[in-house]
Amino acid sequence: AQSVTQLGSHVSVSEGALVLLRCNYSSSVPPYLFWYVQYPNQGLQLLLKYTSAATLVKGINGFEAEFKKSETSFHLTKPSAHMSDAAEYFCAVSEADTGRRALTFGSGTRLQVQP
Amino acid sequence: DAGVTQSPTHLIKTRGQQVTLRCSPKSGHDTVSWYQQALGQGPQFIFQYYEEEERQRGNFPDRFSGHQFPNYSSELNVNALLLGDSALYLCASSQLAGGLTDTQYFGPGTRLTVL
Repeated sequence: AQSVTQLGSHVSVSEGALVLLRCNYSSSVPPYLFWYVQYPNQGLQLLLKYTSAATLVKGINGFEAEFKKSETSFHLTKPSAHMSDAAEYFCAVSEADTGRRALTFGSGTRLQVQP
Repeated sequence: DAGVTQSPTHLIKTRGQQVTLRCSPKSGHDTVSWYQQALGQGPQFIFQYYEEEERQRGNFPDRFSGHQFPNYSSELNVNALLLGDSALYLCASSQLAGGLTDTQYFGPGTRLTVL
């Protein structure tokens, strides 16, 4: 069984400030981890993914995330927020090595960027 | 290159009716997954199709069924609709040959409202 917890359903930052969105996971097998972004009335777009290579993963639009096994975390960061980053962000986990590809999502974090 | 497409965009049904949603995968992809996203929540996995067979299923009742066609497109059918079935239904496609790390690409979704 696997699960994802995203701490903070809403996060507000000022334009140019650091963005930190938290994700903790639980998995009985080695996980693959993903961050997706959803803009209003749209589907999900992949930001980045961890698949057991480098623990620091760089994604699109300046985002990156670090896999920390000891903390079971995969927090998403961006050094400087832009107005266009305002959206809903979802962390997801799938099972590595088992062939089960279903994604289990967290409940999401809505990011607001203040001018 | 067309991405994942879904139809219709919006749909309104009444309780007890049946509905069919359609998905065309991204070019070159052979696997289709369906997710239900209730308002304010993360997507939940319904099932996944590969080679015209259901390969994995989430915790959804038998009222939810699907089909995959030889051209890899897919349908999601929901019978005996309940008010609680109101949600955004997302289709995601991927390439099985890409291995366990293959990325799921999401369509824009179908918004189903049950009255």
